[in-house]
Amino acid sequence: RKEVEQDPGPFNVPEGATVAFNCTYSNSASQSFFWYRQDCRKEPKLLMSVYSSGNEDGRFTAQLNRASQYISLLIRDSKLSDSATYLCVVGYSSNTGKLIFGQGTTLQVKP
Amino acid sequence: EAGVTQSPTHLIKTRGQQATLRCSPISGHTSVYWYQQALGLGLQFLLWYDEGEERNRGNFPPRFSGRQFPNYSSELNVNALELEDSALYLCASSLARGAYNEQFFGPGTRLTVL
Repeated sequence: RKEVEQDPGPFNVPEGATVAFNCTYSNSASQSFFWYRQDCRKEPKLLMSVYSSGNEDGRFTAQLNRASQYISLLIRDSKLSDSATYLCVVGYSSNTGKLIFGQGTTLQVKP
Repeated sequence: EAGVTQSPTHLIKTRGQQATLRCSPISGHTSVYWYQQALGLGLQFLLWYDEGEERNRGNFPPRFSGRQFPNYSSELNVNALELEDSALYLCASSLARGAYNEQFFGPGTRLTVL
């Protein structure tokens, strides 16, 4: 079983749609959680950290359910520029320095 | 504020040669991380340097090595290159040590082994 699992998609949605991505992680000792965005052949860019209480940044809302080991990302009012691969990322502890990346979910927003 | 920088952008080598990749972290960041992203695969953790010391390494053979300099910049060396080493090598930095902290990535070095 992969340490971080995501539905690879692709998710094809029209502009203005709301889309949700889900992610599960296997290690219950995981301590930090992030969503990154990666455009084709570019570096990952941090979209947002995910906190236990959930957090929102504009059109983006992230939720964490530690009991179910589940992370979600909701994008409202999708824009063409949101088209990218979204990476679910988990960190175990400050002693490893290591982030575990999911394979990514591809989003294509169409006019 | 300047982001993480990496050089070279592209590197072409032949099997058996050595490759050296360089990374400069964001100013004030002391931790540097290296990841490999092979085509169609996810990012795989390679190495973590903090305060000049190697703190952790991923599941890669010893021919992948590196170092961190006093100015916190870092170098990744890959010896005895193999065809499957062809990948995008990404460097990231963070403000303080460990996986609790957000890591910011550079644009990567695309290594091609012929």
